[in-house]
Amino acid sequence: SAVISQKPSRDICQRGTSLTIQCQVDSQVTMMFWYRQQPGQSLTLIATANQGSEATYESGFVIDKFPISRPNLTFSTLTVSNMSPEDSSIYLCSGDRGNEQFFGPGTRLTVL
Amino acid sequence: AQSVTQLDSQVPVFEEAPVELRCNYSSSVSVYLFWYVQYPNQGLQLLLKYLSGSTLVKGINGFEAEFNKSQTSFHLRKPSVHISDTAEYFCAVYTNAGKSTFGDGTTLTVKP
Repeated sequence: SAVISQKPSRDICQRGTSLTIQCQVDSQVTMMFWYRQQPGQSLTLIATANQGSEATYESGFVIDKFPISRPNLTFSTLTVSNMSPEDSSIYLCSGDRGNEQFFGPGTRLTVL
Repeated sequence: AQSVTQLDSQVPVFEEAPVELRCNYSSSVSVYLFWYVQYPNQGLQLLLKYLSGSTLVKGINGFEAEFNKSQTSFHLRKPSVHISDTAEYFCAVYTNAGKSTFGDGTTLTVKP
């Protein structure tokens, strides 16, 4: 298995500001992903974080709003830009190794 | 593309009663199947997974699930639930592309 940590675990931010969430995996994973879980809802995939190249975004998500970096095989960041209250969610990082995904504990974001 | 349908959004049950949480999926490729549990204000925890082999899969906390390929189902069961099983349960399918698709979740509420 893989252990995934995220920082910060939670934050309260003002609208119009940006927050960068860090994701660290304890060992190499093939792929890394970012998910969003809005209050009372299921998980929605935001993007696949590609090492050394631009992330691959799912429909409805754009790079200007959610820039992602993955400088190496064990680390990625997600930035939530120009935040609004609608961005209040849990953001989860995950890593893939073969036939299973491992999830981080999530970052609980509240935008006022 | 794949999709996951959790047939019950909420399942109330009395303590020590049996429970079944239903999950159906559709996919044009082979998938791996997972159940996750999310306790209030916590991250995702893997309950069990089906990768191959025996269609009856046993997981943590006394849960088990049966993969039925002909009915494209992966229902989760527990013969006797506890108050502590109260949580949100997510069924997910995972493909070789490395992405997971989640159902909308089932809220299990165990009453004394």
